[in-house]
Amino acid sequence: KNQVEQSPQSLIILEGKNCTLQCNYTVSPFSNLRWYKQDTGRGPVSLTIMTFSENTKSNGRYTATLDADTKQSSLHITASQLSDSASYICVVTDRGSTLGRLYFGRGTQLTVWP
Amino acid sequence: EADIYQTPRYLVIGTGKKITLECSQTMGHDKMYWYQQDPGMELHLIHYSYGVNSTEKGDLSSESTVSRIRTEHFPLTLESARPSHTSQYLCASSDEKQGTSPLHFGNGTRLTVT
Repeated sequence: KNQVEQSPQSLIILEGKNCTLQCNYTVSPFSNLRWYKQDTGRGPVSLTIMTFSENTKSNGRYTATLDADTKQSSLHITASQLSDSASYICVVTDRGSTLGRLYFGRGTQLTVWP
Repeated sequence: EADIYQTPRYLVIGTGKKITLECSQTMGHDKMYWYQQDPGMELHLIHYSYGVNSTEKGDLSSESTVSRIRTEHFPLTLESARPSHTSQYLCASSDEKQGTSPLHFGNGTRLTVT
């Protein structure tokens, strides 16, 4: 069964600290993996997209890594800011059909305290 | 910031009423989607469209319908609202011409059925 599991479910850190969010997936055949940030009351916004051949991709203070062999991805946030408080969602796309079906994780709720 | 708009942002309605959630995008995207999101849960695909006059059901579509008469407009209709329909509804679009194009989400409609 194709699944996307994220951990931790929630995380609280102090402003200025770093953190790493995890995403494990069983989706096969794999096409790409995306991380989205969803602020409370808003729609998700894309942070990074990685295909099979990409191991790492950065977007400012956000760095995503991908290990396609172990089917794991991580999102590292450097020097956290209060505005980083949000839900971070991992989304994996399969390439088993023309639809390119998306599998969503439940997200990690990050809270940054001053 | 993506140009995709959803109205209304909040809606409280009684059981049995017919409602239409509006979604419009100005990016000329061919692909459009409706997702349902409950707190702490993954997004579930309700309907999707690959272009004008093309609509398909997703995983949770049995009690709603959509139409795609114009590229920019993708409304979702509930013929008879029930308390189980209480949820957040997110509309999204993507550029079909780019295989790794991210989803652009609206800010959602939070529906409460009493």
